[in-house]
Amino acid sequence: QKEVEQNSGPLSVPEGAIASLNCTYSDRGSQSFFWYRQYSGKSPELIMFIYSNGDKEDGRFTAQLNKASQYVSLLIRDSQPSDSATYLCAVNPSSSNTGKLIFGQGTTLQVKP
Amino acid sequence: DAGVTQSPTHLIKTRGQHVTLRCSPISGHKSVSWYQQVLGQGPQFIFQYYEKEERGRGNFPDRFSARQFPNYSSELNVNALLLGDSALYLCASSLEDDQPQHFGDGTRLSIL
Repeated sequence: QKEVEQNSGPLSVPEGAIASLNCTYSDRGSQSFFWYRQYSGKSPELIMFIYSNGDKEDGRFTAQLNKASQYVSLLIRDSQPSDSATYLCAVNPSSSNTGKLIFGQGTTLQVKP
Repeated sequence: DAGVTQSPTHLIKTRGQHVTLRCSPISGHKSVSWYQQVLGQGPQFIFQYYEKEERGRGNFPDRFSARQFPNYSSELNVNALLLGDSALYLCASSLEDDQPQHFGDGTRLSIL
């Protein structure tokens, strides 16, 4: 079992729709969870982080965390073609005692005009 | 404010050579981490430094080493380069070692 798992996609949604990106993790004691967006040929850009169970909203983005189910998701409302990118889920495992991040392989999102 | 800066942006080396990659963190950030990203995969953790001390090391061979300087900038060194070392090398900085990390643009290393 991979430590952080994402569906590689591509996930295709029409412009204006809600895009839902999912991530599961294996380390039950993990405390910190991050979503990065990576455009082709560019470096990852931090878009959301969440530490507590529940929802956290920032503009069109909502991160959802369910520690009991070891599941974290990212919702993008009113999706735009400029949101087309790879979205990376990252987890700070409890065993690390450092800032080490474990990344999933990323989900490619395509927003069609 | 300037973000994380990395140099060089691109580098071409041959097998057996060594390379030094450099990173300057966001002003005020004390923690620097290095990651390797190969095409189609998420970044893989190599090292983390905080206040000039190594705080973590990923599953990479001893050919990989790093250090952090008093001004919090950092170098990643790779010796005896292999074809498989071809990747995007990313540096990330954070205020403290458990805070969100912000990435630089990366150094794209190609081994011939």
